[in-house]
Amino acid sequence: GAGVSQSPSNKVTEKGKDVELRCDPISGHTALYWYRQSLGQGLEFLIYFQGNSAPDKSGLPSDRFSAERTGGSVSTLTIQRTQQEDSAVYLCASSLASGPGELFFGEGSRLTVL
Amino acid sequence: GENVEQHPSTLSVQEGDSAVIKCTYSDSASNYFPWYKQELGKGPQLIIDIRSNVGEKKDQRIAVTLNKTAKHFSLHITETQPEDSAVYFCAVCDDTGKLIFGQGTTLQVKP
Repeated sequence: GAGVSQSPSNKVTEKGKDVELRCDPISGHTALYWYRQSLGQGLEFLIYFQGNSAPDKSGLPSDRFSAERTGGSVSTLTIQRTQQEDSAVYLCASSLASGPGELFFGEGSRLTVL
Repeated sequence: GENVEQHPSTLSVQEGDSAVIKCTYSDSASNYFPWYKQELGKGPQLIIDIRSNVGEKKDQRIAVTLNKTAKHFSLHITETQPEDSAVYFCAVCDDTGKLIFGQGTTLQVKP
């Protein structure tokens, strides 16, 4: 596809379960970002991958959150032992190069933790 | 780290009126300031951006102004239309290259 693809679009899980959210960036984009958007809130930075550099994990809220990017393309955000406060829309974005430039966002994965 | 404040959180205007949203930031080294529009159920989309070497940029009915001395920048939408109704986010690029977003402004344009 031409845009950033995220799956699943919706995920309902029980408290304590692990979840994986997937992001397929635009082909050729070297930078990939994860943001979290809680209901009615802004975009909270989680993690940033740029090429082969070590990821910027400074926004991850706890050690239950982790992310990886395999082969410089697809990324997976994993949340272990989910809590109700993890309920949010998780947005992935990619951009063509490092530094300031346009981010292309996917439509997000809506996570609901019961 | 970079801190971005956005005001107002909600804005309601009559169709045809202008809308202004303002953001302030903390890191004087920041040099890239985009604005994103998010429609319901979609991801945010870039509508305009400005870099620190210019003070104003226009694109049809939207414009962005930047005051680096005061560390604030604003989005101006003229002749608003119902399809302008959305959530608008400002952002600032920090020294590591990532975007830090404001809290968002919900704009409602009443027909």
